[in-house]
Amino acid sequence: QITLKESGPTLVKPTQTLTLTCTFSGFSLSTSGVGVGWIRQPPGRALEWLALIYWDDDKGYSPSLKSRLTVTKDTSKNQVVLTLTNMDPVDTATYFCAHRLGAYFDYWGQGTLVTVSS
Amino acid sequence: QSALTQPRSVSGSPGQSVTISCTGNSDVGGYNFVSWYQQNPGKAPKLMIYDVSKRPSGVPDRFSGSKSGNTASLTISGLQAEDEADYYCCSFAGSYTVVFGGGTKLTVL
Repeated sequence: QITLKESGPTLVKPTQTLTLTCTFSGFSLSTSGVGVGWIRQPPGRALEWLALIYWDDDKGYSPSLKSRLTVTKDTSKNQVVLTLTNMDPVDTATYFCAHRLGAYFDYWGQGTLVTVSS
Repeated sequence: QSALTQPRSVSGSPGQSVTISCTGNSDVGGYNFVSWYQQNPGKAPKLMIYDVSKRPSGVPDRFSGSKSGNTASLTISGLQAEDEADYYCCSFAGSYTVVFGGGTKLTVL
């Protein structure tokens, strides 16, 4: 059974760096073809893809946020970490991590709401 | 990389069929890697269709997907009240990147 759970701060100040951790079980990020993605959703708005990391450490980032994003994995801990620098109120959103196999996200975490405010 | 274009809303009566379109460019048109997600309020998205037209185990066969050129479509036949939700398309966009659509709110009348 695959599960994922996001954790991190619920409130960050403008200009700070957000660090979110996705802790998962039921799969290994050292298995060929497996990846973990990050997706966010501002309140009342659409899903926005942020980043991907694969079993072989290949990575992909949203072109519009690439300069601010970093994604890393710790295979031994079954964790993926996302950092987003220079936070702004427009970055207020629910952040999801999701298991990726092939070209789709088949298992999602419950999401964590991050508010950016001074 | 622009978001894929979806209608903001669609509606249908129980038993009817509705189709949600998803228009992109070289992303949708260049790869057979379109997926569709259903999202209920306050919940995580749920995978409904992957690789344009494949259904995960447990998804009713009332849900089907297709693609023509740069436009993918999700069709829900035999509409049920429980289908009322937001629907998002998503496509592989090359070079380890992904793009989502703007979302469509489905109302069951």
